Amino acid sequence: KQEVTQIPAALSVPEGENLVLNCSFTDSAIYNLQWFRQDPGKGLTSLLLIQSSQREQTSGRLNASLDKSSGRSTLYIAASQPGDSATYLCAVRGLMEYGNKLVFGAGTILRVKS
Amino acid sequence: SQTIHQWPATLVQPVGSPLSLECTVEGTSNPNLYWYRQAAGRGLQLLFYSVGIGQISSEVPQNLSASRPQDRQFILSSKKLLLSDSGFYLCALIGRTGQGEKLFFGSGTQLSVL
Repeated sequence: KQEVTQIPAALSVPEGENLVLNCSFTDSAIYNLQWFRQDPGKGLTSLLLIQSSQREQTSGRLNASLDKSSGRSTLYIAASQPGDSATYLCAVRGLMEYGNKLVFGAGTILRVKS
Repeated sequence: SQTIHQWPATLVQPVGSPLSLECTVEGTSNPNLYWYRQAAGRGLQLLFYSVGIGQISSEVPQNLSASRPQDRQFILSSKKLLLSDSGFYLCALIGRTGQGEKLFFGSGTQLSVL
């Protein structure tokens, strides 16, 4: 059974810092991995999608990497801003999963102080 | 592009009352649809998913049920709500994009059972 772990659970940094959020998964037979952002009381917004054959994806100040063999993904946020404060979740989709279900980590709560 | 409609945004219901939450989608056909719940301070829990009309799979045995009467309609129901049913309910679908198949979420319903 796939398990997804996110470290740290919470992170507080001053504005302008570069930071890394970690996601690990136990079963490397994945179809893809997705990073989401959730603001309080809101739905989840997709940030980046990495296919199993890809090593990384970039969008603006965000870069996500995938090392499938070691079961790890990182989300790198450059030059953090107060507007980046949110909960970040990663989710993996299994390779032969009926219903194409995703398994989610518990998330990292990020606070960027101005 | 696909759109997910969920309503209401907020709902307060007494214990023992019935529940019906509706999710409708646009811009896609025959999508895989999902109901997730996020309890206060806890992670995202998959409740039900559907790969087609009338096809419902349950992830967690509980007080809730789901139905898919039409291709783009997914309904979450309960005959008698419990206090433990309180939480943030999110509808989601798998949609095709230029980067691959992504999970997209609706804006959610915050349910408080009192």
